[in-house]
Amino acid sequence: GEDVEQSLFLSVREGDSSVINCTYTDSSSTYLYWYKQEPGAGLQLLTYIFSNMDMKQDQRLTVLLNKKDKHLSLRIADTQTGDSAIYFCAEKSGSSNTGKLIFGQGTTLQVKP
Amino acid sequence: NAGVTQTPKFRILKIGQSMTLQCTQDMNHNYMYWYRQDPGMGLKLIYYSVGAGITDKGEVPNGYNVSRSTTEDFPLRLELAAPSQTSVYFCASRLSTDTQYFGPGTRLTVL
Repeated sequence: GEDVEQSLFLSVREGDSSVINCTYTDSSSTYLYWYKQEPGAGLQLLTYIFSNMDMKQDQRLTVLLNKKDKHLSLRIADTQTGDSAIYFCAEKSGSSNTGKLIFGQGTTLQVKP
Repeated sequence: NAGVTQTPKFRILKIGQSMTLQCTQDMNHNYMYWYRQDPGMGLKLIYYSVGAGITDKGEVPNGYNVSRSTTEDFPLRLELAAPSQTSVYFCASRLSTDTQYFGPGTRLTVL
């Protein structure tokens, strides 16, 4: 079945770059998403990439997609303490027209001052 | 727009009790979803709806029921609460684009 995997924890120093990785199994994925969840809050969409793209940049965020290896990454440049949160990777299957998303288990990003 | 709102924010239930988690969106979105998030895990889809009057099961529907009598509302019903249903519940909605908008969540504890 469809599966999305992420590393569970990442710790960086303020000002460094963070790279959060994700792998997925569904080769028919059409969209891949990155969501951010701050403590006690809901999920906030950060960015997404369509499956025919290799890269998308949005201010401090860069998404890289390697469709051959089914690998997605989120790079946060100049990481700030306000970036501390859980980051979820999610994919939308191309075989589904209902918009169902499959989520990874989330990567906790800790930013040290 | 208020977006997606959920009530209550927190609730403690005893085993066997029932309750309804409310979800409302004011964006006129067709699609609505209920997810649960267990500690250290991603979100699992419970039920979803593609429009008023139409609902379908997700990955983990057992122990839950939903209804969609209006476009705006998508309540989730727990009939006989069990400790395994202790979780954080998120409602989401989307229009025809692929972006899902999430509510703030309901934290449920079953003792």
